[in-house]
Amino acid sequence: ETGVTQSPTHLIKTRGQQVTLRCSSQSGHNTVSWYQQALGQGPQFIFQYYREEENGRGNFPPRFSGLQFPNYSSELNVNALELDDSALYLCASSLEVGGAETQYFGPGTRLLVL
Amino acid sequence: RKEVEQDPGPFNVPEGATVAFNCTYSNSASQSFFWYRQDCRKEPKLLMSVYSSGNEDGRFTAQLNRASQYISLLIRDSKLSDSATYLCVVNFGNEKLTFGTGTRLTIIP
Repeated sequence: ETGVTQSPTHLIKTRGQQVTLRCSSQSGHNTVSWYQQALGQGPQFIFQYYREEENGRGNFPPRFSGLQFPNYSSELNVNALELDDSALYLCASSLEVGGAETQYFGPGTRLLVL
Repeated sequence: RKEVEQDPGPFNVPEGATVAFNCTYSNSASQSFFWYRQDCRKEPKLLMSVYSSGNEDGRFTAQLNRASQYISLLIRDSKLSDSATYLCVVNFGNEKLTFGTGTRLTIIP
């Protein structure tokens, strides 16, 4: 296994609510990336954090925000949930930033917005 | 045009056959390339990195053609356990992985 964990595994919310998803990276991994995977699509990059600072962002609105903590854990927060936010949310950790590093994915959180 | 394009399939292939997947990418400055495997309702897992000289890992061979901006994956002697979605992944040097939509493979007994 990758050593990356995510919680919760499944979540059901209603439109307009807020959600916080959590990720625990491999020990020593300074970089965490979050991805959204809609059904039948490949994962889409949301943003990346390196040493607790945002280090790159994909084409997602500001209601998607994140935090990274010194203990290798991180959060993805989504405000004002929309139906299209229903997806599998994946976090991936890597040792350092730079692109060539292998990213290790957690099992994901399945979010359903009703 | 998508940054990373793959044939979504599905590919239905008899056990023991050889199957090849192709992938094209749009940015010639791309830095690193990968094939990931994703089983149904699971997370993507790294299958292999792809190097300019081509590389092999058992029954799997990956090739990169930078001039044509093209990546391939060849699976020989396919097994039932190879059934999965195969994701072509490119790092464009901007701190994110860019995924194709994936190619679904089903190995038929």
